[in-house]
Amino acid sequence: AQKVTQAQTEISVVEKEDVTLDCVYETRDTTYYLFWYKQPPSGELVFLIRRNSFDEQNEISGRYSWNFQKSTSSFNFTITASQVVDSAVYFCARGGKLQFGAGTQVVVTP
Amino acid sequence: DSGVTQTPKHLITATGQRVTLRCSPRSGDLSVYWYQQSLDQGLQFLIHYYNGEERAKGNILERFSAQQFPDLHSELNLSSLELGDSALYFCASSGTGDNEQFFGPGTRLTVL
Repeated sequence: AQKVTQAQTEISVVEKEDVTLDCVYETRDTTYYLFWYKQPPSGELVFLIRRNSFDEQNEISGRYSWNFQKSTSSFNFTITASQVVDSAVYFCARGGKLQFGAGTQVVVTP
Repeated sequence: DSGVTQTPKHLITATGQRVTLRCSPRSGDLSVYWYQQSLDQGLQFLIHYYNGEERAKGNILERFSAQQFPDLHSELNLSSLELGDSALYFCASSGTGDNEQFFGPGTRLTVL
């Protein structure tokens, strides 16, 4: 199976610190899609971003930004100026039938 | 609210029993995916239906089956339940291709 690896199991930060989540994927495809999802303590999975493999432009959405580097098969996610509401498990995935990483638990304390 | 609904929210049953989980996709979405989330296995893809037809299978046990009906809702049937089947089962829907999938709230299954 083509794996998605999130090496960080848990990251703890104090509010307003930046936090970067790493994601490394394996693929034999030339065209593919990558995703990030957030799972807050309430349990639902919330879609954050989809990125096509042919678009390596970095993306920023508010306090969230994503760095896609095809050469290193990485799709990292940064939360700037973290807030307590950012506390959740974040999953990186490769799609269509999503192959998820193990997730990274982010704990933001006041 | 993703627009995907799942029922029931919680289900407690005994080993050997059979249960049915139901999913209604977002309006207009033809694809339905089922995933299982457990502590030891993480989030795993089970099966994908598109407009009533099975499109892909993942790590789905033979004791499990699914279908998608003409109105596009889907059901996941789990039979001969074992303790290890206790998990959160998610349904997701999407448009076509590799579009983003929107997940329902999940059904938490507890097998005692």
